[in-house]
Amino acid sequence: LAKTTQPISMDSYEGQEVNITCSHNNIATNDYITWYQQFPSQGPRFIIQGYKTKVTNEVASLFIPADRKSSTLSLPRVSLSDTAVYYCLVGDLGNTNAGKSTFGDGTTLTVKP
Amino acid sequence: DVKVTQSSRYLVKRTGEKVFLECVQDMDHENMFWYRQDPGLGLRLIYFSYDVKMKEKGDIPEGYSVSREKKERFSLILESASTNQTSMYLCASSPPDRGEAFFGQGTRLTVV
Repeated sequence: LAKTTQPISMDSYEGQEVNITCSHNNIATNDYITWYQQFPSQGPRFIIQGYKTKVTNEVASLFIPADRKSSTLSLPRVSLSDTAVYYCLVGDLGNTNAGKSTFGDGTTLTVKP
Repeated sequence: DVKVTQSSRYLVKRTGEKVFLECVQDMDHENMFWYRQDPGLGLRLIYFSYDVKMKEKGDIPEGYSVSREKKERFSLILESASTNQTSMYLCASSPPDRGEAFFGQGTRLTVV
């Protein structure tokens, strides 16, 4: 199983770009990398998913180097409402091997005014 | 909007009780999951199911069982609740095309 490591916490200020890195040295060929956001008393919510190179959507970008042993979630111009816990998931929750998917322990991002 | 609905937001049960946590999804997803979330430990997989009546153990199945008699419903059962099962329980479902998983709001279970 791919062990997934993230920083425990990060601080930022409104308007800054935030980059959260996840390490997954044992990622398997078929594994995807997915990031989720979780607010207190809510379930995690999908942010972005990728396999390699760069993926961008309306809220974030995901950078994955060629060796895929790490990935970086980039949040442009954060606001106070981006204060949350961010989880990196390595695996594929959509197939019959979903049980081998591994969540990181989460990064608590605090955005200050 | 995809919905994953957990039957209770908060539950208080006594030690030794049999506890049922229910989860229903409305998007015809094949895969469904039960996670446990504790401070500092992230999300840990208890069980998952990839089809009706099919189940696989996750990382921490001890003390739990599951039931999936219909595609839309996945139940977590605590056979004999213990205080160390006090936790937040999260249900999720996922389509088969590596797409995003959808989580319920969670059930905060307290065993006294």
